[in-house]
Amino acid sequence: EPEVTQTPSHQVTQMGQEVILRCVPISNHLYFYWYRQILGQKVEFLVSFYNNEISEKSEIFDDQFSVERPDGSNFTLKIRSTKLEDSAMYFCASSEVLQIAKNIQYFGAGTRLSVL
Amino acid sequence: DAKTTQPNSMESNEEEPVHLPCNHSTISGTDYIHWYRQLPSQGPEYVIHGLTSNVNNRMASLEIAEDRKSSTLILHRATLRDAAVYYCILRDPPNDYKLSFGAGTTVTVRA
Repeated sequence: EPEVTQTPSHQVTQMGQEVILRCVPISNHLYFYWYRQILGQKVEFLVSFYNNEISEKSEIFDDQFSVERPDGSNFTLKIRSTKLEDSAMYFCASSEVLQIAKNIQYFGAGTRLSVL
Repeated sequence: DAKTTQPNSMESNEEEPVHLPCNHSTISGTDYIHWYRQLPSQGPEYVIHGLTSNVNNRMASLEIAEDRKSSTLILHRATLRDAAVYYCILRDPPNDYKLSFGAGTTVTVRA
């Protein structure tokens, strides 16, 4: 069964460093998403992406964050200068269609980001 | 955003049915009801969704009240693998890009 893959599974970085989290969405999907989950808290939406543009972003997704689809298969989340509070599990998701009646988002297993 | 209310936790015995309630008294006429679950140390996983009619798939059934102010996710025969946090999420057409997760219901399955 097709799945969303995320690498690395665990990323450790120093505060102030840049990190790039990588995702390979399901191949025929057109809509891509990033979410994060701070330990013990809710899953929070960060951003959605379609046709090489951000469709929607949350208040969390400030200028320190950026997303990119550098080629036909990868979807990346970059955090420019990490803060301690960026420590969280980051989930990538993708969906084939957008209409709510059929929109099913498939999630990867996540990347645990630890900022020291 | 329309909100949902779910119990914090539920327990079940293996191979027994589990009924997970969700209240959404402020639901609008066009909101879809989606259910996702999150197994330990994994990403969320789609379970089922519906608008007005009851729905069944290989994972679960969704019963929607006639006034749509509540719904129930039914796991017909719980297995240990069904232990997870279950989220009831309302989504507003036509294009609601995000999933808005609440705290969900933590389901424990006893062997």
